[in-house]
Amino acid sequence: DIVMTQTPLSSPVTLGQPASISCRSSQSLVHSDGNTYLSWLQQRPGQPPRLLIYKISNRFSGVPDRFSGSGAGTDFTLKISRVEAEDVGVYYCMQATQFPLTFGGGTKVEIK
Amino acid sequence: QVQLQESGPGLVKPSETLSLTCTVSGGSISSYYWSWIRQPPGKGLEWIGYIYYSGSTNYNPSLKSRVTISVDTSKNQFSLKLSSVTAADTAVYYCARMDLGYYDSSGSTGGMDVWGQGTTVTVSS
Repeated sequence: DIVMTQTPLSSPVTLGQPASISCRSSQSLVHSDGNTYLSWLQQRPGQPPRLLIYKISNRFSGVPDRFSGSGAGTDFTLKISRVEAEDVGVYYCMQATQFPLTFGGGTKVEIK
Repeated sequence: QVQLQESGPGLVKPSETLSLTCTVSGGSISSYYWSWIRQPPGKGLEWIGYIYYSGSTNYNPSLKSRVTISVDTSKNQFSLKLSSVTAADTAVYYCARMDLGYYDSSGSTGGMDVWGQGTTVTVSS
């Protein structure tokens, strides 16, 4: 199985300041079709997860442009340019390059 | 827009079979992959498996011996059965749509783009 490791576990952030979350995979996420199936999900308290970013850097429909994704191969980053109160929650990376699909352990974003 | 709703018993006895159904509304179950994911209390997400509308399946090897996912296209539903449950199977169970399209140039996301609200299942006698 591909192991997804996220850091940090927790990220206290001041409103309006940036936040960054790292996700590292135990092997390359480049699929034989040339795509990298790395996505980011947000889970607000008491809510189901929601797709934010797919294929490393593509924002899903309705996702604010303060969210951005980057990376390649085995190292990926989610950035929030200016954290807002509604961004509080847990963020997960997920790979769909190889089965079984696997998730990172999650990073909790909270307001200082 | 497409919405998903999980349904099923909230309490299951140890050694029995957990059965859940996900109803798809606002769209067809055809042409997508449909997954089950679970989240134990206070923990992260675990993918259980998926079914394609045609009936082909793929399960997490960690659960494969106990899992069956089926689809009923006439009802726009897909279902999960997990046998021989223990307390370790206590979790919120989510169903989700997966937009998978390997080698497909149409631009699939490769992600889980629609989720149900989740249903809590407790395994206890």
